[in-house]
Amino acid sequence: DSGVTQTPKHLITATGQRVTLRCSPRSGDLSVYWYQQSLDQGLQFLIQYYNGEERAKGNILERFSAQQFPDLHSELNLSSLELGDSALYFCASSPGQGRLSGELFFGEGSRLTVL
Amino acid sequence: AQSVAQPEDQVNVAEGNPLTVKCTYSVSGNPYLFWYVQYPNRGLQFLLKYITGDNLVKGSYGFEAEFNKSQTSFHLKKPSALVSDSALYFCAVRDGGDDMRFGAGTRLTVKP
Repeated sequence: DSGVTQTPKHLITATGQRVTLRCSPRSGDLSVYWYQQSLDQGLQFLIQYYNGEERAKGNILERFSAQQFPDLHSELNLSSLELGDSALYFCASSPGQGRLSGELFFGEGSRLTVL
Repeated sequence: AQSVAQPEDQVNVAEGNPLTVKCTYSVSGNPYLFWYVQYPNRGLQFLLKYITGDNLVKGSYGFEAEFNKSQTSFHLKKPSALVSDSALYFCAVRDGGDDMRFGAGTRLTVKP
């Protein structure tokens, strides 16, 4: 158990809908990362937050947004969903900025299926 | 921006034989390199990392990796493969930014 909790584990929805994925980082970790894993594109970095502030942005679509709350949990919002958004979404956490040598700790992922 | 490449989608080895999963990297500064393993329907698990120092890094489950600066490589190795090592392996890199970039992954199959 990595200590990172993601909910829901599975989610099935329709095109055009909006969903929210939630992540609770390991106790004490200030950084939260979101990744998308799809069959044909591997593990894509979406966005990173550190102590409530956005720190790095990857290949995140404009239809997607995220935030990190004062209690350090994070939410990834996906809107106007398309079939191609079906994927496994991972959250990871680490102690935080300046600890570049540190590994990330991953949750078990949220599997999103868009029908 | 930093990146890693895993040139092999699939690696097949027989149980008991040595295994190598290849990774090359591209960074503008000093690299921090990582290997992760993913079992079916699970999150990624950390195996080992290179930060500085000895080019041969030892990690979990008997895995090790060799950092080669001149070849910009960080190959994952194990002297004797087990069937239970069958999984998806990811190489990852940081070079000064907070974000970590992953390779496309290599599926390792160890046959009895």
